[in-house]
Amino acid sequence: DAGVIQSPRHEVTEMGQEVTLRCKPISGHNSLFWYRQTMMRGLELLIYFNNNVPIDDSGMPEDRFSAKMPNASFSTLKIQPSEPRDSAVYFCASSLRGYQESTIYFGEGSWLTVV
Amino acid sequence: TQLLEQSPQFLSIQEGENLTVYCNSSSVFSSLQWYRQEPGEGPVLLVTVVTGGEVKKLKRLTFQFGDARKDSSLHITAAQPGDTGLYLCAGTFTGTASKLTFGTGTRLQVTL
Repeated sequence: DAGVIQSPRHEVTEMGQEVTLRCKPISGHNSLFWYRQTMMRGLELLIYFNNNVPIDDSGMPEDRFSAKMPNASFSTLKIQPSEPRDSAVYFCASSLRGYQESTIYFGEGSWLTVV
Repeated sequence: TQLLEQSPQFLSIQEGENLTVYCNSSSVFSSLQWYRQEPGEGPVLLVTVVTGGEVKKLKRLTFQFGDARKDSSLHITAAQPGDTGLYLCAGTFTGTASKLTFGTGTRLQVTL
């Protein structure tokens, strides 16, 4: 079975450009998470969707970040305009039912470098 | 903001040695999970513990949840090169069930 699929795997972009990261969760999962991982701050939750509805976006750094989940099989994380400090690995993850009741499965990540 | 401290940050050992890594919080966990992350991949769940004092075993890995549910340990017996990776603890706390907070991780390298 396919796991969580993220694209692109790697992206290098110039400061000020728009970046769109994409995620296809595991079929049948109703919870989707976007995380960011850096050496300094570790793994941080950016936003959590349940049944395509954003439940907790308190981790979204600022207005330059936005996330959508138009349907159960697709989500995007957009950064506009991008800044060098946004360089990180962005992970999408999904689960059947939130955190405590089922396993969270992570994608392989999107490695973003903003120069 | 709940903080999860992991120790040690880095650990380099030889094959066959035993090791223990620790995860501590100033707050009580509702549940705690351990993950392993290999280079270029996302974290993979190893175990979930929810009951104070709980001990779970996964082959050579033993996970223990503190009685007060504020700390946890992961013990690896006879480490192998395949155990190399980043070990992350992650917890949920009372009132924030929708947010899984991760520790900064312990980076383990096992050499021949």
